[in-house]
Amino acid sequence: GQQLNQSPQSMFIQEGEDVSMNCTSSSIFNTWLWYKQDPGEGPVLLIALYKAGELTSNGRLTAQFGITRKDSFLNISASIPSDVGIYFCAGGITSGSARQLTFGSGTQLTVLP
Amino acid sequence: GAGVSQSPSNKVTEKGKDVELRCDPISGHTALYWYRQSLGQGLEFLIYFQGNSAPDKSGLPSDRFSAERTGGSVSTLTIQRTQQEDSAVYLCASSLAQGLYEQYFGPGTRLTVT
Repeated sequence: GQQLNQSPQSMFIQEGEDVSMNCTSSSIFNTWLWYKQDPGEGPVLLIALYKAGELTSNGRLTAQFGITRKDSFLNISASIPSDVGIYFCAGGITSGSARQLTFGSGTQLTVLP
Repeated sequence: GAGVSQSPSNKVTEKGKDVELRCDPISGHTALYWYRQSLGQGLEFLIYFQGNSAPDKSGLPSDRFSAERTGGSVSTLTIQRTQQEDSAVYLCASSLAQGLYEQYFGPGTRLTVT
């Protein structure tokens, strides 16, 4: 099946710094989504990307759908303590009539005061 | 409006027992997904329901796992004869329509098999 490589696995940054994480795949995806998961909660959708080359922002978050459709990155600018959590990328494909998501293994972000 | 809800939030069971996990999707969402998340891992797809269509069971790890969705709304994931390797967080997600990729997740059920 589809495999996603998400990196880095974990990050420790100072409050106020910018953060970048990415996902790559050997296969093409139709869409890329980025989720954030807080402890004890389900993932929350941050950004959805639908077109190759698309660059989308949501507040301090910016994500891009790679031109090859095999990668995506997420940037967080001016990090704050509440950015702490696990960030997951997800690639979307069409399987029959279903819109399936394949998830990366996550990036654990720690923001130091 | 109400989000996806799951119950119980935590379940501890003895090896060999059966368990049932419940998911209430967002009202009006026709697609429902179950995932498993092991500690420190990503999300592993288990099963997908869309309307009245036959479910996509391709992610179920063994025949001990089954799921049903009654009336196109509430879903139950059943694990029979639980094993210690079944310990994980089980997440449910729903999506508004068949053609959309955005999935909205519940808080999950943490299953511990002792």
